[in-house]
Amino acid sequence: NAGVMQNPRHLVRRRGQEARLRCSPMKGHSHVYWYRQLPEEGLKFMVYLQKENIIDESGMPKERFSAEFPKEGPSILRIQQVVRGDSAAYFCASSPGLSSYEQYFGPGTRLTVT
Amino acid sequence: GEDVEQSLFLSVREGDSSVINCTYTDSSSTYLYWYKQEPGAGLQLLTYIFSNMDMKQDQRLTVLLNKKDKHLSLRIADTQTGDSAIYFCAESKNNNDMRFGAGTRLTVKP
Repeated sequence: NAGVMQNPRHLVRRRGQEARLRCSPMKGHSHVYWYRQLPEEGLKFMVYLQKENIIDESGMPKERFSAEFPKEGPSILRIQQVVRGDSAAYFCASSPGLSSYEQYFGPGTRLTVT
Repeated sequence: GEDVEQSLFLSVREGDSSVINCTYTDSSSTYLYWYKQEPGAGLQLLTYIFSNMDMKQDQRLTVLLNKKDKHLSLRIADTQTGDSAIYFCAESKNNNDMRFGAGTRLTVKP
């Protein structure tokens, strides 16, 4: 039973380019969460999605960031016009549903903006 | 906003017990978690406790919760070099919005 998968594991982008980060939840999980971890800091919640719905995006920056979880395929976190401050590790987690108190994390995507 | 705080570093000798402490401010927290992060890896859920419990034991791990003081601790018995990692405390009301501490880097010396 594969865990949460994220790709790419490492992504390098120049300032102004777009970054697309993908997350495939664990089999049977319909809830996906995205977190950002800056160096030497804990994880900060960004967005919570179910299939085709954004449930809570209170942690997402208002501009340049968007997330989706389509009916088919992985969840995508998209960062447009990246800036150096976007350099961080982005983690995805999944859970089976609202009744679950456990989130299972993927290995993360480390984004470096040059 | 609500905060979760941890000390940043802890160093112990192999075979000793490690105690990692965490404080939080949100009195309505329902779930409290401990995660382990090894270098270059994601977070691994170690254990969790509901706010209506005051202790949970799982093999070498013991979690203590003092709800009145909003204090959570993780005790690792017989600490091994493989336990060296960053340990994150986290809390949530409903599992949709977890708040993490900055992590405690545990170093185990042989």
